[in-house]
Formats: sequence, C-alpha cells, structure tokens
Amino acid sequence: GQQVMQIPQYQHVQEGEDFTTYCNSSTTLSNIQWYKQRPGGHPVFLIQLVKSGEVKKQKRLTFQFGEAKKNSSLHITATQTTDVGTYFCAGTGGSYIPTFGRGTSLIVHP
Amino acid sequence: SQTIHQWPATLVQPVGSPLSLECTVEGTSNPNLYWYRQAAGRGLQLLFYSVGIGQISSEVPQNLSASRPQDRQFILSSKKLLLSDSGFYLCAWTSSGSTDTQYFGPGTRLTVL
Repeated sequence: GQQVMQIPQYQHVQEGEDFTTYCNSSTTLSNIQWYKQRPGGHPVFLIQLVKSGEVKKQKRLTFQFGEAKKNSSLHITATQTTDVGTYFCAGTGGSYIPTFGRGTSLIVHP
Repeated sequence: SQTIHQWPATLVQPVGSPLSLECTVEGTSNPNLYWYRQAAGRGLQLLFYSVGIGQISSEVPQNLSASRPQDRQFILSSKKLLLSDSGFYLCAWTSSGSTDTQYFGPGTRLTVL
C-alpha cells in the first residue's frame, strides 16, 4: 500500500533559524496536504498542493510539490516561537484515504 | 459554516470498561468521516472511515468498532478497553466524494488505567 515517509522526526532550532521537513511517497500522489498540530491541540489544515512542481507560499512558509508528485517539502524561514508544533504531510493517491506522514516536531529555542 | 464536535474532551477509564466516543458534524451533508488515534508523541493512525450511513471500513483490526447511525454522526466504541487503547482520538471529515482538506475535531484524550 501507499506509504509516506516524513523526516526528520524532531528538529531543534534557535529562533530565527530556518526549518525544513520533507515527505516522500512510495507512489505518485494526486495531491498532498500539510497540517500543523500545536502541542495539546488537533491538526489544522495549512495548504494543499495539486500540480507537479507547484510552489506555494504563506508568509514565512514555503511549500513545494515535486515534479514527479512523489515528494514534498515545507520550509519555514526565520522561525519564531509561534511556529512550535508538529507538521504533518498527508498524501492522497485517488481514494478517500489520505496517508499521513509521521510528522516532524519543531522545537524553537528562544 | 461547518463545525465538528467531539465529546468528551477528556476521559479516564479502567481496563475492561466500555467506551463510546461521539463525533458530529454541522453545516455539511454526506461527509466522509474518519476516526484516528494518536499515541503520545506519535503520528496519526487511521482506525475507521465512512462514506455514508451504515458504511464503515476498518483499517486496523482491534477491539474497537465504529458506527454511523446518522449522516453527520460517527461513534467509536469498545466493549472492553485495553491499556493500549490509551491515546488521543481524533474525528475528521472531508466533503463527499473529495480527497481534499481534512477538518479535525478537537479530539478526546483517553487514558485507560
């Protein structure tokens, strides 16, 4: 079945440093979504990528979808303490069932 | 606008006791509904999903079951809880026939002692 690998599992950064998390799928995806879960909270949708090679930006966050639609990345520029949380990717291969990565927990040290 | 409710928010249950968690969605019709479990510090494990009333698909065999008695109501149950059932249970929905955004409820934090 479809598998989505996400790395790293944890990332410690100093406030102001950049952060990147990567997702790789074992199969070609129809779309990929990114979610953020704050400590103690529930996952909240950030963005969806659909097109091959797509790049989207939300303020300091940059999301990319690979040309082969099998990988994706989330990059945060100049992290802030408000960026703390776990970031999940979720890939869909055409069914109603998204496959979530295991998430990357971002810890920002002030 | 659409909203999703889950209750209770927190639950502490003894081993061997039954469980019933409820999820309801407002503001949409015929949603796809999902139950996930998240162990502490871990990822999301899909337990069940439903594309319509009475239609339940199980992703992981275990002592949990799900039911969808109404279009916008999704219930997670167990007859006898195990210690390993502890975790954060999340309900989510997507639009009918869509693989788009999953909207998560606030979750139920279950501790089995």
